[in-house]
Amino acid sequence: GESVGLHLPTLSVQEGDNSIINCAYSNSASDYFIWYKQESGKGPQFIIDIRSNMDKRQGQRVTVLLNKTVKHLSLQIAATQPGDSAVYFCAEKGMTTDSWGKLQFGAGTQVVVTP
Amino acid sequence: DGGITQSPKYLFRKEGQNVTLSCEQNLNHDAMYWYRQDPGQGLRLIYYSQIVNDFQKGDIAEGYSVSREKKESFPLTVTSAQKNPTAFYLCASSIGWNYGYTFGSGTRLTVV
Repeated sequence: GESVGLHLPTLSVQEGDNSIINCAYSNSASDYFIWYKQESGKGPQFIIDIRSNMDKRQGQRVTVLLNKTVKHLSLQIAATQPGDSAVYFCAEKGMTTDSWGKLQFGAGTQVVVTP
Repeated sequence: DGGITQSPKYLFRKEGQNVTLSCEQNLNHDAMYWYRQDPGQGLRLIYYSQIVNDFQKGDIAEGYSVSREKKESFPLTVTSAQKNPTAFYLCASSIGWNYGYTFGSGTRLTVV
């Protein structure tokens, strides 16, 4: 059946500060993780990915950290800007044959950047 | 430019009607996916296709149908059997099983 709509967790950040968005994943067999950004009314955009043989990866103003011991993923955004306001999703990809190629998405975190 | 195109951006459906959402990609990706997104929620998988002429049900396939006659195209039909079709529909593609997805810009379907 259909789920009742839920309020997303919200992270309020002042412009110029660093943001940290957290995600707990469920499948210990997952070996590939991605962060997506979704602005209102648009499709998700790829931000950064990381494979399970790494624990940190950096991009432009973004860093993803992976802690496989506690199944935790985080996205750090440096010097947050108004254009960073969006919903951020983490996604994991499992290695079992049943989950071939399918990404499992978290519910998302709403980031609001205040001046 | 390569990309994935969804049309229309907005679609209105009357009760009892079937409607088809278009998804076209020129990325030469083998895999394509359809997701449904409801307000304040994550993405739920409707159908996916790993290769032409083959597709599998996702987590919420009831009331939906798809076809994959061409590599570039993966249309989704929302049938009258879908009891609550109002949602934002996202199409995605992937070059292979161990890569991320490229998403389209979505179609917002509303039942009137």
